Amino acid sequence: NAGVTQTPKFRILKIGQSMTLQCTQDMNHNYMYWYRQDPGMGLKLIYYSVGAGITDKGEVPNGYNVSRSTTEDFPLRLELAAPSQTSVYFCASATFADSPLHFGNGTRLTVT
Amino acid sequence: GQQVMQIPQYQHVQEGEDFTTYCNSSTTLSNIQWYKQRPGGHPVFLIQLVKSGEVKKQKRLTFQFGEAKKNSSLHITATQTTDVGTYFCAGYAGNMLTFGGGTRLMVKP
Repeated sequence: NAGVTQTPKFRILKIGQSMTLQCTQDMNHNYMYWYRQDPGMGLKLIYYSVGAGITDKGEVPNGYNVSRSTTEDFPLRLELAAPSQTSVYFCASATFADSPLHFGNGTRLTVT
Repeated sequence: GQQVMQIPQYQHVQEGEDFTTYCNSSTTLSNIQWYKQRPGGHPVFLIQLVKSGEVKKQKRLTFQFGEAKKNSSLHITATQTTDVGTYFCAGYAGNMLTFGGGTRLMVKP
């Protein structure tokens, strides 16, 4: 009963490096989301997807890219890491647009 | 765009005291969802309210959705140390779910 799985759990990047945050869900949800949460703050939507092959920008998309080639996977790509991208990243999925979200455990990213 | 404001940002209570967090939307909502995030954890869905004036209870937690479907509240009766965490509301409108900033609850034993 995995739900939403995110890898890695922790990562330290140097400025300018690239990485991909992995997210996979086994609930056959069409809707998937990437949020970032800065310390002591709320959730900001980076990108979302309403189904395989369809993605759209959220509130804070700059510096990130996504793809959705399958229903299960929704990776988030950071091309040129910057200190401002230090945050905790949460992936979430849902059955419908107005359904409750199922969150992964998060990836804690530090860029130095 | 849609905005969801949540107050207070922080609340310290003595164990056994009551706690309330309020959520206000700039637009009329189709539904409102509440989540709890324990320190170091991820948000976990608590409940969804859909109808105008709806009230739902989960043990010591009472959730309300306003008549105009623009505000909501979460009330915890007789807080316990296990209630510690950040409570988020999230309002759904215009095909978008918008999270409030959260209320961080700290409970002194």
